Amino acid sequence: DTAVSQTPKYLVTQMGNDKSIKCEQNLGHDTMYWYKQDSKKFLKIMFSYNNKELIINETVPNRFSPKSPDKAHLNLHINSLELGDSAVYFCASSQEYENYNYNEQFFGPGTRLTVL
Amino acid sequence: DAKTTQPPSMDCAEGRAANLPCNHSTISGNEYVYWYRQIHSQGPQYIIHGLKNNETNEMASLIITEDRKSSTLILPHATLRDTAVYYCIVLSTGANSKLTFGKGITLSVRP
Repeated sequence: DTAVSQTPKYLVTQMGNDKSIKCEQNLGHDTMYWYKQDSKKFLKIMFSYNNKELIINETVPNRFSPKSPDKAHLNLHINSLELGDSAVYFCASSQEYENYNYNEQFFGPGTRLTVL
Repeated sequence: DAKTTQPPSMDCAEGRAANLPCNHSTISGNEYVYWYRQIHSQGPQYIIHGLKNNETNEMASLIITEDRKSSTLILPHATLRDTAVYYCIVLSTGANSKLTFGKGITLSVRP
């Protein structure tokens, strides 16, 4: 009965490769997010989607592209991976009520990406 | 542009109350105080939030000063599993609002 799940949990790849991380939530939420936590443990938002529409797009290289096939899924595609992309990536979801965002976000377990 | 300041770390004994302080002297009238925590190797977890009244739920209590410039998260009976980084975050609840995590405070609960 996992609320927010991510696959894979660990991802090790070579520089220059293209990879995807999948996220699914079964909470019925209409907003989903991607966060990046770097080696210094700073957690920063990358994107948020509301009902499959991009709402927040922080200053993220365009090699990163979120894709939302439906409101229960928000996948993260990363092209031409670089060493600096190594981090833990967290997916999250929340429910908005008529433009009121309670910001009670439910986070997934994270995906540890290592670029060699 | 950190809106909150927290001590870097604190510890408390298991079974005792853990009082985690947070300063947010520039908080605006429509901004809430949120607390999240991140246990090692896990995703962040929502704890509680409040505007100006004190709040309590099954996890913790949130005490906000009358001038709203500071708050305290209280874990009434800390356990070893409460060892984590605790983040105090100030933000509005508009549709495009976003959580901005600072460095947080590392709470170590000792046996």
